[in-house]
Amino acid sequence: EAQVTQNPRYLITVTGKKLTVTCSQNMNHEYMSWYRQDPGLGLRQIYYSMNVEVTDKGDVPEGYKVSRKEKRNFPLILESPSPNQTSLYFCASSFRIRTEAFFGQGTRLTVV
Amino acid sequence: AQSVTQLDSQVPVFEEAPVELRCNYSSSVSVYLFWYVQYPNQGLQLLLKYLSGSTLVKGINGFEAEFNKSQTSFHLRKPSVHISDTAEYFCAVSDRQTGANNLFFGTGTRLTVIP
Repeated sequence: EAQVTQNPRYLITVTGKKLTVTCSQNMNHEYMSWYRQDPGLGLRQIYYSMNVEVTDKGDVPEGYKVSRKEKRNFPLILESPSPNQTSLYFCASSFRIRTEAFFGQGTRLTVV
Repeated sequence: AQSVTQLDSQVPVFEEAPVELRCNYSSSVSVYLFWYVQYPNQGLQLLLKYLSGSTLVKGINGFEAEFNKSQTSFHLRKPSVHISDTAEYFCAVSDRQTGANNLFFGTGTRLTVIP
C-alpha cells in the first residue's frame, strides 16, 4: 500500500532533550516536506526537500533540522526542543510538482 | 510568500443542505490550488486540485470548486452534505515553481453536519 509513515504517532518529552521524528515513503517520491499544525494557524511548512541531499527552509524552520540521505526517508530533528514546539507534525511527499502531496498520519508532540 | 484566507472558521449545516466553504488567496503570479480534508485523528486527504484548464474542478465525495482568477478565489461547494462530511477542510495554494512540494495553507474551516 502506498503511504507515508511517521513515527512515533505520539511523543511527550522534556525541554532540551534531543528527539527525531522519522518519515518514510514507499512511493519513490522526489519531494518531501514537513509541516506543523497549530490551532488557528493551519499548517505551516518547516522544511522541504526536492531530492536526495537537497533541502531548503520553509516558513518556520527555527529550532528544526532535517536531512535527506536517501530518497525514501526525511527525518525531522529537534536538537533542543522547547514548549513552543508542542504541535501536530505532518510529513508529506509528492512525485512531481503538479501532483498531489500525500500526507502521513501525523505526530503529536508535547514538550514539557 | 503566498497567503490563503479562509474566512469561516466554523460552518454548521444541516444534513442534505448545500454548503460553500470560502477560500481566497493573495498572489499576482500563476498558482496551483488545492482543497484538503482532515478527519479526526487522521492526516490530510486531497479533495481536489486546480492546475490549469477548466475553472470548475470536480473532486471526490461529490465536492467541486471553482477557480476565479479575477477574485482570487477558490470556493468549495457540495450540493447536499452528509454526516460523514463532518471534518476540517483546508485550502492550500502553491506557486508553479515549487508546486505540491511547498504548500501554503489557510487556517481551516470546520464543517459540522447536523442531523
